[in-house]
Amino acid sequence: GENVEQHPSTLSVQEGDSAVIKCTYSDSASNYFPWYKQELGKRPQLIIDIRSNVGEKKDQRIAVTLNKTAKHFSLHITETQPEDSAVYFCAASILRPGDMRFGAGTRLTVKP
Amino acid sequence: EAQVTQNPRYLITVTGKKLTVTCSQNMNHEYMSWYRQDPGLGLRQIYYSMNVEVTDKGDVPEGYKVSRKEKRNFPLILESPSPNQTSLYFCASSLTTGFGYTFGSGTRLTVV
Repeated sequence: GENVEQHPSTLSVQEGDSAVIKCTYSDSASNYFPWYKQELGKRPQLIIDIRSNVGEKKDQRIAVTLNKTAKHFSLHITETQPEDSAVYFCAASILRPGDMRFGAGTRLTVKP
Repeated sequence: EAQVTQNPRYLITVTGKKLTVTCSQNMNHEYMSWYRQDPGLGLRQIYYSMNVEVTDKGDVPEGYKVSRKEKRNFPLILESPSPNQTSLYFCASSLTTGFGYTFGSGTRLTVV
């Protein structure tokens, strides 16, 4: 089955800097890659996703890039703000029922 | 408001006492799933359901049961809870496979 690895496990940046979180996946058939943000004590929330026919997608300060050849995808957050502090999860799916696999998460801290 | 409603939010129980965590969605989603979240392990799928009366095991199904008698409801049943089932549980739903999840607010279960 699919295996998703996520790095780093913790990331600390200064407010205004950029943050990058990377994930690799094992199954070349994976074609849907969502990212979730989980604030302390809250539920995970979908913040952006990308499908395998697209190499990059942006939404204001966040962007996701996908390299299908290398089987990795990344989340980029620019101009970070303290409210970006949270745990971020990547996931990969082959679009079969039950196949969504999550990375272990990255705890991002943005220092004011 | 489109949402996934999960109850209870917190539950402390004793080993062996059967319990049910309820999950209901109002978005007419086909796909529903249960995850447990443990530190350092990310989100691991327990069971999932593609539609009414269609359920299947995820990665960590031991000790759990589910049912999907109605499209909107997907309860998680622990017939004989044990301390290793102490965890944070999330119900999630999506339109179908290949779409992002909407998560419930979570149930923090402690089994003593």
